[in-house]
Amino acid sequence: DAGVIQSPRHEVTEMGQEVTLRCKPISGHNSLFWYRQTMMRGLELLIYFNNNVPIDDSGMPEDRFSAKMPNASFSTLKIQPSEPRDSAVYFCASSLWGGFTGELFFGEGSRLTVL
Amino acid sequence: KNEVEQSPQNLTAQEGEFITINCSYSVGISALHWLQQHPGGGIVSLFMLSSGKKKHGRLIATINIQEKHSSLHITASHPRDSAVYICACCQIGPNYGGSQGNLIFGKGTKLSVKP
Repeated sequence: DAGVIQSPRHEVTEMGQEVTLRCKPISGHNSLFWYRQTMMRGLELLIYFNNNVPIDDSGMPEDRFSAKMPNASFSTLKIQPSEPRDSAVYFCASSLWGGFTGELFFGEGSRLTVL
Repeated sequence: KNEVEQSPQNLTAQEGEFITINCSYSVGISALHWLQQHPGGGIVSLFMLSSGKKKHGRLIATINIQEKHSSLHITASHPRDSAVYICACCQIGPNYGGSQGNLIFGKGTKLSVKP
């Protein structure tokens, strides 16, 4: 298996622009997580899907952030409009059984810079 | 206050030394994860454990549920072990059932092993 695939790896955009990050989880995994990593706050959960259904989106910073998982093999994280404070590395991870009992497999991350 | 605390924050060792990284948590858990993040940014899951001890090569992870404490040990450390090691564990919430849950991450321990 190719592992968790994220795109783009790097994104530089201007404030106010829409940003869409994409994730393909490992085939057969039923849990998908979006995390954000910054120097100040470390890794934080943004949203968690189980069987394509959002279970916990309490980590989504505000309405500018939205995430979808239309099917078991694809998820998007959208920021509209983007702001400089959104600059971070965004990781997608998938798991067979969820964060409690399933090993997490991370993508390479998408480094976002908002100017 | 972060409910997952790691120590030390930074650690420099000479090649061959025995290394211990500690993690204390205050939330109820089902499983605790140790992750490794290399300078390139990718995150790899090292261990997931809910009791006792696990060993993989030169890495050993232990957990004491009563004391809410886990340790990651590296024997015969090598420069290629230089990375950030992150402890994460799960928060049992009212909306979670079964094996689902949210991971709370420690700030990480930056390890540098000198040749």
